[in-house]
This record gives sequence, C-alpha cells and structure tokens, in this order.
Amino acid sequence: EAQVTQNPRYLITVTGKKLTVTCSQNMNHEYMSWYRQDPGLGLRQIYYSMNVEVTDKGDVPEGYKVSRKEKRNFPLILESPSPNQTSLYFCASKMGQTHSGANVLTFGAGSRLTVL
Amino acid sequence: AQKVTQAQTEISVVEKEDVTLDCVYETRDTTYYLFWYKQPPSGELVFLIRRNSFDEQNEISGRYSWNFQKSTSSFNFTITASQVVDSAVYFCALSDIRQGAQKLVFGQGTRLTINP
Repeated sequence: EAQVTQNPRYLITVTGKKLTVTCSQNMNHEYMSWYRQDPGLGLRQIYYSMNVEVTDKGDVPEGYKVSRKEKRNFPLILESPSPNQTSLYFCASKMGQTHSGANVLTFGAGSRLTVL
Repeated sequence: AQKVTQAQTEISVVEKEDVTLDCVYETRDTTYYLFWYKQPPSGELVFLIRRNSFDEQNEISGRYSWNFQKSTSSFNFTITASQVVDSAVYFCALSDIRQGAQKLVFGQGTRLTINP
C-alpha cells in the first residue's frame, strides 16, 4: 500500500531532550515536507526537500533540523525541544519537479508531540 | 506572497442541511492550483479535490460541489444534505504551478459539526 509512515504517533517529552520524528514513504517521491498544525493557524510548513541532499526552510523552521540522505526518509529533528513546539506534526510527500505544483501531497497520519 | 483565508472558524448545522465552506485566496501567480483537504476526528488529512486556475467550471462529486470564481479569488465548498460523517475540519490550500513548487499554503481550517 502506498503510504507515508511517521513515528512516533504520540510522544510526551521534556524541555531540552533531543528527539527525532521519523518519516518514510514508499512511493519513490522526490518531494517531501514537514508541516505543523496548530489551532487557528492551519498547517504551516517547517522544512521541505526537493530530492536527496536538497533541503530548504519553510515558514517556521526555527528549532528544527532535517536531513535527506535517502529518497524514502525525511526525519525531523528537535535538538532542544521547547513547550512552543508542542503541536501536531505531519510529514507529506509528492512527485516532484515536473508539474509539481499540481501534484497531490500524500500525508502521514500525524505525530502529536507534547513538550513539558 | 500567497495566502489562503477561511473566515469561518466553526460551523454547526443539523443533519440534512446544506452547508457552504468559504475559501478566499491571494496570489500574484497567474497559474496555480487550489485544493481541499478533509481532516476527520481520527486526524489524518484526506485529499478531496484539486482545481487548476485555468478551469473555472464548477465540479460536483456526489453530495460535494465546488465553486471556483477567479474574479473574486474564491473556491467555496458546498455539502448538500449533510451527514454526521461529514463532521471534520476542512482545509483549503493553494499551490503554484511552476516547476519545483515548494509548498502548499493552507488556510486556517473550518471545523464543521453536523448534529443528528
């Protein structure tokens, strides 16, 4: 089944404890992206990647890191989480390059992160 | 800069009523795509429709219909004869068509509650 898989789905952590949210897709998509969803703000892009070893900042990149060493994986790293990073996180992927603006994003199931 | 506004934060109707969700967008691009996604209580994001800026024909899919009006920069979504299963948060989103388009810009979302 074609899908985007995120782990963990739920996580409660404490301020300053590094964590990684993994994201993997099995559709051979070039483009991958991370969004965070907060009440009243919709979804905002954190980082995106056009292809392996190509990443760039979205609208709200502060406090996050990403890497794209393999096409299928795009982990989100919080080096020193803070309470304002408590949110619902979504990883997404789509075919890139040609007609990429038209291509539909496939989303993971979401990861709910709470930072105490 | 691109922007999507969903002015209705929450809507509550009784089952079988018709309901329209508003979406207004801003973009300097002459070519772009508009999307609607549904987020049911389970949390995943489900793609509903994509519409390109060249095609202003309304679209109907069962009880769902979409009205795209370029003159007013609106892409409204109507559910006819609503059902309890339609209860969800609905997001409107905008993407440009250029190659390598980097992100989908989302509105704030409208929480729709259908009461039995």
